[in-house]
Amino acid sequence: NAGVTQTPKFQVLKTGQSMTLQCAQDMNHNSMYWYRQDPGMGLRLIYYSASEGTTDKGEVPNGYNVSRLNKREFSLRLESAAPSQTSVYFCASSEASRNSGNTIYFGEGSWLTVV
Amino acid sequence: GQSLEQPSEVTAVEGAIVQINCTYQTSGFYGLSWYQQHDGGAPTFLSYNALDGLEETGRFSSFLSRSDSYGYLLLQELQMKDSASYFCAVRDKRRGDTGRRALTFGSGTRLQVQP
Repeated sequence: NAGVTQTPKFQVLKTGQSMTLQCAQDMNHNSMYWYRQDPGMGLRLIYYSASEGTTDKGEVPNGYNVSRLNKREFSLRLESAAPSQTSVYFCASSEASRNSGNTIYFGEGSWLTVV
Repeated sequence: GQSLEQPSEVTAVEGAIVQINCTYQTSGFYGLSWYQQHDGGAPTFLSYNALDGLEETGRFSSFLSRSDSYGYLLLQELQMKDSASYFCAVRDKRRGDTGRRALTFGSGTRLQVQP
């Protein structure tokens, strides 16, 4: 029972490099999310996908793009990495209903360092 | 938008009871959720209050008062393993802006349980 799986777990990038964080869920959830978490802080929403084929910006979308490839997969791309994007990235998923949408399931996180 | 306030740190001893408060500002939401995150781990769902009042799940209880824009998480019979960060979160009820329908998290309360 994998839940939400994201890769890679650790990555070091040079400023200006690009990379894609991959995420897949096996719970048949409609909604998927990408959050970032900086040291000692809460989770901030980068992008959100309510269903396959739809994506919406969250609180901190600048410098990122996303792709909802199918119902299972939701990828996050950094086109030109900056040191300010050093963070832990969490992918998550949930049912898309009024009450159960408040229970979201997180992946284990991806630690990204931009030097 | 939403705004959630939590204390940054709380310290308590094993066996004690601790209450973590959360005050929020939002025009409408589906309920208040609580998540636990151990150092280096992913957030995991603890509790959800759709309605005013107390919800109890084992040693953990959560309370919501919409009229006071206030909620809390109560941890009883504290154990060392309860040392973690605790986040309150809300999901905005507004339609037409699906980006807001993802969870918004507070900045978290770090709980240290001492022997």
